[in-house]
Amino acid sequence: EDKVVQSPLSLVVHEGDTVTLNCSYEVTNFRSLLWYKQEKKAPTFLFMLTSSGIEKKSGRLSSILDKKELFSILNITATQTGDSAVYLCAPRSGNKLVFGAGTILRVKS
Amino acid sequence: GAGVSQSPSNKVTEKGKDVELRCDPISGHTALYWYRQRLGQGLEFLIYFQGNSAPDKSGLPSDRFSAERTGESVSTLTIQRTQQEDSAVYLCASSLDGTISYEQYFGPGTRLTVT
Repeated sequence: EDKVVQSPLSLVVHEGDTVTLNCSYEVTNFRSLLWYKQEKKAPTFLFMLTSSGIEKKSGRLSSILDKKELFSILNITATQTGDSAVYLCAPRSGNKLVFGAGTILRVKS
Repeated sequence: GAGVSQSPSNKVTEKGKDVELRCDPISGHTALYWYRQRLGQGLEFLIYFQGNSAPDKSGLPSDRFSAERTGESVSTLTIQRTQQEDSAVYLCASSLDGTISYEQYFGPGTRLTVT
């Protein structure tokens, strides 16, 4: 059975802090791993990772994948209150994305 | 460049009634996905359409659920004889080509409440 575990489940930080969100997975027919930010209903695409060890960056966010250890991390530096959201990790198994429960991030001003 | 759109945004229905949810994917996207998100839970895959190929229905929870797609355009998800456990946000996503690892873009979702 496909499994995705994200940690921590939730965290509260202050503006300017750096956070690291973790995702471990076990899925069949792995093709890629995606990260999304969910604030209300629609998840917003952040990154898609297909190769191990290659960091993807977008502004203050970055992510990396380890296909040997079946693990990915999402880093956010210099956090802002607008970063408050649920962050979803979703490895692709065949045709579908398998979602973790998410990490709830709250950034206090 | 319009994104994925879904309608209605909210739907309240009585137990036992049928409902239809609609999804308009991004123009030119050949792949379309439906997911469900129950309160406090992660997204669950329901069904995947790729062009004119037979859909992957492996995530549909029961035979009360069905979906159609006309070519590479609009899709409708139908739930017959709704039950209270069907209450959830139903999210549609599309991607350029589902046979390749392109990112999936999500619509705003339809919040279904079964009373």
